[in-house]
Amino acid sequence: GAGVSQSPRYKVTKRGQDVALRCDPISGHVSLYWYRQALGQGPEFLTYFNYEAQQDKSGLPNDRFSAERPEGSISTLTIQRTEQRDSAMYRCASSFEVGGRGETQYFGPGTRLLVL
Amino acid sequence: GQQLNQSPQSMFIQEGEDVSMNCTSSSIFNTWLWYKQDPGEGPVLLIALYKAGELTSNGRLTAQFGITRKDSFLNISASIPSDVGIYFCAGLIQGAQKLVFGQGTRLTINP
Repeated sequence: GAGVSQSPRYKVTKRGQDVALRCDPISGHVSLYWYRQALGQGPEFLTYFNYEAQQDKSGLPNDRFSAERPEGSISTLTIQRTEQRDSAMYRCASSFEVGGRGETQYFGPGTRLLVL
Repeated sequence: GQQLNQSPQSMFIQEGEDVSMNCTSSSIFNTWLWYKQDPGEGPVLLIALYKAGELTSNGRLTAQFGITRKDSFLNISASIPSDVGIYFCAGLIQGAQKLVFGQGTRLTINP
């Protein structure tokens, strides 16, 4: 497909379990972003990568959250010891340029995480 | 985290009516963006604004970048059923690559 893809689309897990969310950016896109979107809210920035380098992780809520993009393409957002408050839609976006003005971020369909 | 104040939170209108929504912030942004989100999909960019005072149109959509750089509005003229969805404003912080989003305006259209 031509767009950003995310998997799984839905994830139900029990409190305390670890989860890994995957983002497949548009081919050739160098920057990759992770956002979290609570119900009834707009997306909230978590972290982003330029190529394989994590540039800003100031939005990660705590040290249970981590992200990697080892080869500068696919990225994984990992949440350890999940808690109910982690339930949300997790969105990924990618951009073909570094340092763009925001309009070049293309969003994926998201992974809806439910922690029971 | 920092968010923009977007209003109204929801709108119920008749098909054919015009729509207006706005976004305000206590911080200055150098770029304002407006997105539409359909069910099961990610936000899709509608309009991008780069200069204070700029007025930009995209078909039936018109958006303006406020003079103070702390606000923006989006107008939709002659609404049609496919305009239904959630509209988000977003601001880009100068020197950063991250977007700050509003809470969204949910638009419902009665045929």
